[in-house]
Amino acid sequence: NAGVTQTPKFQVLKTGQSMTLQCAQDMNHEYMSWYRQDPGMGLRLIHYSVGAGITDQGEVPNGYNVSRSTTEDFPLRLLSAAPSQTSVYFCASSTGGLSGDTQYFGPGTRLTVL
Amino acid sequence: TQLLEQSPQFLSIQEGENLTVYCNSSSVFSSLQWYRQEPGEGPVLLVTVVTGGEVKKLKRLTFQFGDARKDSSLHITAAQPGDTGLYLCAGGDNALNFGKGTSLLVTP
Repeated sequence: NAGVTQTPKFQVLKTGQSMTLQCAQDMNHEYMSWYRQDPGMGLRLIHYSVGAGITDQGEVPNGYNVSRSTTEDFPLRLLSAAPSQTSVYFCASSTGGLSGDTQYFGPGTRLTVL
Repeated sequence: TQLLEQSPQFLSIQEGENLTVYCNSSSVFSSLQWYRQEPGEGPVLLVTVVTGGEVKKLKRLTFQFGDARKDSSLHITAAQPGDTGLYLCAGGDNALNFGKGTSLLVTP
């Protein structure tokens, strides 16, 4: 199993550009989530999904869109990138979203917005 | 949002020393998790504590969940350079919330 994969690993955008961060998992997990990690801020939840067709907002959802058309994939879209979105983005999956379930993280996407 | 406060924020010690890091909250958690993250990688689960007062050991790492289930600690005995990394605690009822982490550096 590949686990959780994320592409790209690095990306540089200009302000106003759009892009999609890809996330896929091959563990048949129902729960998937996106976090951003900034220095001194820890991991903050952006959006999460409890199954195909179901998504919900986390702590910092503004400026990001998600969809979940399949169990395997959970892409994160930036419609109009801003410098404040410069961060490292992690996708995670688990069998359940409640604490107590192991979250499996991808390797991250390092995004810079100029 | 159930906030988790971790201390210290940074810790630099020499190989062989012992250390304890803390994770505190004003909220009660059904369980807490500890993750370790190495540079350039995603966090990896170390342990989940579920019962108040529970103590779990993972080789030289000892994890304790407070009796009131509001706090947890991680104690490392005889730290080694391989223990270097960011230690994160996490918990939550509907979505997992993370503390800001303790960055540990163990030098030979």
